[in-house]
Amino acid sequence: QSALTQPRSVSGSPGQSVTISCTGTSSDVGGFNYVSWYQQYPGEVPKLIIFDVSQRPSGVPHRFSASKSWKTASLTISGLQADDEADYYCCSYVGRDMWMFGGGTKLTV
Amino acid sequence: QVQLQESGPGLVKPSQTLSLTCSVSGGSISTDGYYWNWIRQHPGKGLEWIGYITSSGSTFYNPSLKSRLIISLGTSENYFSLRLSSVTAADTAVYYCARDGRPIDWYFDLWGRGTLVSVSS
Repeated sequence: QSALTQPRSVSGSPGQSVTISCTGTSSDVGGFNYVSWYQQYPGEVPKLIIFDVSQRPSGVPHRFSASKSWKTASLTISGLQADDEADYYCCSYVGRDMWMFGGGTKLTV
Repeated sequence: QVQLQESGPGLVKPSQTLSLTCSVSGGSISTDGYYWNWIRQHPGKGLEWIGYITSSGSTFYNPSLKSRLIISLGTSENYFSLRLSSVTAADTAVYYCARDGRPIDWYFDLWGRGTLVSVSS
């Protein structure tokens, strides 16, 4: 497996909620609680928004939440705002000292 | 605060070696205890983890790149480097350096701004 599986795109209207999934295997997402999520605007650097499956760094709005069920991690953004429009990437530690990213999901608001 | 900055040629010819440096300011590679990573992003595509080096010089590489890759620490300055040999157009990407704080912090909390490397004759 070369990348975790994310939907290529999701969309929602302002105020709504969207969920982005990130599916791996029992050896990566399912095997470790080290899933993180990154937000990336065009031409900019990825920004950490979730770590350790569901933890938010300071400064990240509570509208961003995340969870994991077996081999699928999920990022939910509630109360969508225009500036949530970005690409979102999941990342999981996969053991043996390696990391794997998802293919990325473009969120359209 | 700690900042990372990538540098290197923006254009490399096919079959040659791509060399990049990540300068660390506001902190010390040798004492901070972090893992120092390289990550790349092909144009319009997702992120790909390349490999890491620790403050003691231990490395681990993505198996898909291992045969062509060397990550090393700077000799006397606060930086680490990437060398990727026998490049092709498929190596055209934005290359980021980033740190992770394992065994406590299992995520990339600090990134450089990235540098675009194009492989073309």
